[in-house]
Amino acid sequence: EAEVAQSPRYKITEKSQAVAFWCDPISGHATLYWYRQILGQGPELLVQFQDESVVDDSQLPKDRFSAERLKGVDSTLKIQPAELGDSAMYLCASSLNEDGYTFGSGTRLTVV
Amino acid sequence: DAKTTQPPSMDCAEGRAANLPCNHSTISGNEYVYWYRQIHSQGPQYIIHGLKNNETNEMASLIITEDRKSSTLILPHATLRDTAVYYCIVRANQGGKLIFGQGTELSVKP
Repeated sequence: EAEVAQSPRYKITEKSQAVAFWCDPISGHATLYWYRQILGQGPELLVQFQDESVVDDSQLPKDRFSAERLKGVDSTLKIQPAELGDSAMYLCASSLNEDGYTFGSGTRLTVV
Repeated sequence: DAKTTQPPSMDCAEGRAANLPCNHSTISGNEYVYWYRQIHSQGPQYIIHGLKNNETNEMASLIITEDRKSSTLILPHATLRDTAVYYCIVRANQGGKLIFGQGTELSVKP
């Protein structure tokens, strides 16, 4: 079964440092999403791409977060500088149509 | 997107049916009911979705009331591996986003 690949699986970084996460969606899935999940809460949508274009980034803290999907395939989410409150699970998902989202296993970020 | 209300936690005995309720009293006509679950330290997993009619697949059954203001996810024979957080989400079919709430933490006990 096709999967959404994410790396790294775990990341520890010091506050004020830059950090980046990578996502490779299922082949052919035009829509890609980044979610953030703070411990004990449900995932929160940060950004949605349709091919290489941003469809919705209304919840993305743009002063420190950026996301790109240059060729409309894989995507990178960056935080610079990282803050203690950014500690969370960062989930990537992709979808072919309006029905099913497939999520990756996520990157667990700890900022110290 | 309409909001949903779920109990924060539930227990179920292994082998018994798990019935997870969800209220979505402000759901509109073009919104579907989706269920996802998240096992500890993994990404959410799609379970089932429906509009009006009851739905069944290999994982679960979804019962939607006639007025569509509530629904129940049924796991017919719960196993220990079904221990997870279950999210009920209402979503417009065209361009609707998956907006997660707090979910129900289901604990299946031996």
